[in-house]
Amino acid sequence: DGGITQSPKYLFRKEGQNVTLSCEQNLNHDAMYWYRQDPGQGLRLIYYSQIVNDFQKGDIAEGYSVSREKKESFPLTVTSAQKNPTAFYLCASGSRGNEQYFGPGTRLTVT
Amino acid sequence: EDQVTQSPEALRLQEGESSSLNCSYTVSGLRGLFWYRQDPGKGPEFLFTLYSAGEEKEKERLKATLTKKESFLHITAPKPEDSATYLCAVQGANQAGTALIFGKGTTLSVSS
Repeated sequence: DGGITQSPKYLFRKEGQNVTLSCEQNLNHDAMYWYRQDPGQGLRLIYYSQIVNDFQKGDIAEGYSVSREKKESFPLTVTSAQKNPTAFYLCASGSRGNEQYFGPGTRLTVT
Repeated sequence: EDQVTQSPEALRLQEGESSSLNCSYTVSGLRGLFWYRQDPGKGPEFLFTLYSAGEEKEKERLKATLTKKESFLHITAPKPEDSATYLCAVQGANQAGTALIFGKGTTLSVSS
């Protein structure tokens, strides 16, 4: 089955710890994206990558880092510098100029 | 500044009671307008892409339309399984790469 997988579904961390969220796709899409969703707000773009070994900051990149070493994979690291990391994180992929397809999401709770 | 506003925030319907959701947008050079459905705790599911004013797309009980300033998602004779949050997003010429600008969504509840 073609699609996007994210793991884990739920993640709990202590404040001050870095954590990495996984995103894998087998749709052969060039572009991949990370969004953050908070209650009452629209999805906000964290980082995006249009090609392997290249990525760009989105609107809320501070406190996050990414890598794009393989076409299929686009992991997101939430660092201790992110002041409000508790949120629902969504990964998406798409072909240029077309619709994006989303993974099931990872709910991160930092206490 | 590119932005998307969805209304109403929440909508309650009886089964079979048709209605419409609104998505107003301001964007420089619209490349596409997208509708998604999101169930609680899950990722958005793609529904439609509209590219130019006057375009319409249909899928089961849903029909999306587009003008130069807004899009409507019409729901005909809804069923309880249509209950979800519906998200609207746009892609404009000025946006970073191919990223989307999302509205906050309309949460639809359909009761039997």
